[in-house]
Amino acid sequence: KNQVEQSPQSLIILEGKNCTLQCNYTVSPFSNLRWYKQDTGRGPVSLTIMTFSENTKSNGRYTATLDADTKQSSLHITASQLSDSASYICVVSGDYNTDKLIFGTGTRLQVFP
Amino acid sequence: EAQVTQNPRYLITVTGKKLTVTCSQNMNHEYMSWYRQDPGLGLRQIYYSMNVEVTDKGDVPEGYKVSRKEKRNFPLILESPSPNQTSLYFCASSTGTETSGKYNEQFFGPGTRLTVL
Repeated sequence: KNQVEQSPQSLIILEGKNCTLQCNYTVSPFSNLRWYKQDTGRGPVSLTIMTFSENTKSNGRYTATLDADTKQSSLHITASQLSDSASYICVVSGDYNTDKLIFGTGTRLQVFP
Repeated sequence: EAQVTQNPRYLITVTGKKLTVTCSQNMNHEYMSWYRQDPGLGLRQIYYSMNVEVTDKGDVPEGYKVSRKEKRNFPLILESPSPNQTSLYFCASSTGTETSGKYNEQFFGPGTRLTVL
């Protein structure tokens, strides 16, 4: 069964600290992996997209890694800010013909001053 | 501004009263999709459309209808809403699919929070 699992479910950190979110997937075939940021009550916004040949990609303070062999990805946030408080969703595309996306349940990050 | 818009943003209705949630995109995207998001579950696809007049079921299509008469619009129709359709709904669009491991970023609308009493 195609699944995307994320950990931890929730995370609290202090402003300025770094954190890493994890994503494991069992999707096959694999096309690409995406990380989205979703603020409460808003639509998801794309942070990074990686194909199987890419093992790291950065977007400002966000750095995503991908290990296609172990089917694991991580999202590292550097020098966190209060505005980073959101849910971070790992999404895997398993079929590039239909662009079907399989969503994880997200990690809820709270950054406190 | 390139965007996906949804209306209404909030809706409270009663069981059985037909409703339509509109979705429009101004990016000339071929692909459009509807998702629902429920607590503890990832976004689940309801229906998608690869192009005008082409629609297909996603993972949870029961109780929903869609149409794609124009490229920019993709309304979601609930003919007879029930309480289990209370959810947060998102419309998304992208340029369409490509092969050889390439990808197409999906842009999401702001969401419609629906409550069915």
